[in-house]
Amino acid sequence: GESVGLHLPTLSVQEGDNSIINCAYSNSASDYFIWYKQESGKGPQFIIDIRSNMDKRQGQRVTVLLNKTVKHLSLQIAATQPGDSAVYFCAENRGETSGSRLTFGEGTQLTVNP
Amino acid sequence: KAGVTQTPRYLIKTRGQQVTLSCSPISGHRSVSWYQQTPGQGLQFLFEYFSETQRNKGNFPGRFSGRQFSNSRSEMNVSTLELGDSALYLCASSQMVGGYEQYFGPGTRLTVT
Repeated sequence: GESVGLHLPTLSVQEGDNSIINCAYSNSASDYFIWYKQESGKGPQFIIDIRSNMDKRQGQRVTVLLNKTVKHLSLQIAATQPGDSAVYFCAENRGETSGSRLTFGEGTQLTVNP
Repeated sequence: KAGVTQTPRYLIKTRGQQVTLSCSPISGHRSVSWYQQTPGQGLQFLFEYFSETQRNKGNFPGRFSGRQFSNSRSEMNVSTLELGDSALYLCASSQMVGGYEQYFGPGTRLTVT
């Protein structure tokens, strides 16, 4: 079935480097996307979102890029810190008819090495 | 502003029993969604409630049900528990239905023995 997926299950970076986490989606009707961070034993934490009428959005140390042509989403984390170590999920919302229902990707485990 | 709260945080039940989990959304949020998270299936949507009405339902058996109260607090119930129901149950709230920021609670860890 259609789902939002991530390219890599794990990503290891050095502290201070920039991290890029990728996600591919297949439903062209999706119009809203969210990135979440989940630390062990906790619920997903909202990081940043983007709507389909945008191709880039920036937050504090994070940037989300959306390429609707190839149905690709990425999360860039600048100057990665040990506290950024977690599982990162992308999620899509498929428009008004699906309500608030989010479809999640499989997640990427980010490990930041000191 | 307080975040989404879920009770209890941990629960151990026996096969065949039933369980009720509770979720209090962020103040002012009217939409509450429930998700099941397991290592094998990841995060899967259970259902969504808005204004005390179920708006959407995922592909789960009828043993899974929920409701929402007038103060937007929500409960979900699982009857006739099976071992495969062991999971982290997460509640998320948003202001309205649709493409709005959703914030998750810490979850309830359910273990069925």
